[in-house]
Amino acid sequence: DAMVIQNPRYQVTQFGKPVTLSCSQTLNHNVMYWYQQKSSQAPKLLFHYYDKDFNNEADTPDNFQSRRPNTSFCFLDIRSPGLGDAAMYLCATSRGAGEVSNEQFFGPGTRLTVL
Amino acid sequence: GNSVTQMEGPVTLSEEAFLTINCTYTATGYPSLFWYVQYPGEGLQLLLKATKADDKGSNKGFEATYRKETTSFHLEKGSVQVSDSAVYFCAFHRNKLTFGTGTQLKVEL
Repeated sequence: DAMVIQNPRYQVTQFGKPVTLSCSQTLNHNVMYWYQQKSSQAPKLLFHYYDKDFNNEADTPDNFQSRRPNTSFCFLDIRSPGLGDAAMYLCATSRGAGEVSNEQFFGPGTRLTVL
Repeated sequence: GNSVTQMEGPVTLSEEAFLTINCTYTATGYPSLFWYVQYPGEGLQLLLKATKADDKGSNKGFEATYRKETTSFHLEKGSVQVSDSAVYFCAFHRNKLTFGTGTQLKVEL
């Protein structure tokens, strides 16, 4: 089945220690998104890639970076995690970015704990 | 600014009860509207959508009608099941997806 895969499902890191979260997709979608979802809050878009074009949300901290080496994979790098970065990180994909073609398919998420 | 407001949970119902989860939005124009569902331990799944005023989205017994007059997109189901227990997110798309904070539904036998 075509799907969005996130690894690992649970990640524990130490305060200030860089961490990378991984997302892959078999849908061959053009767009890949990263969301942050804190407990009992709405998912918040951090950034997205349309093919190789990176689009950062204005309020995404510089501590968060992303890489998309090819169509299938996208990584979220947190350079110096703080306690406030503990959250569920959701990866999603869509065929396009317009309103008609933008149905987003989500992975199961990676829950990040910062000690 | 753009936002989605949905009723706070948890909503606890008995099996076969009628469900309504209210959702209103604030946005320019007439964006596409969505309901996503998140089952325990899983990612978000699209439940239904409506792309223009008066459209009704439906799936798995759930329905929601795009009401531009009241900027609402309330989710309804006539008879809930235990397997419907999940968190439901209302969202709209205007340049990007904007979600509400989610409503947890618990259905008991």
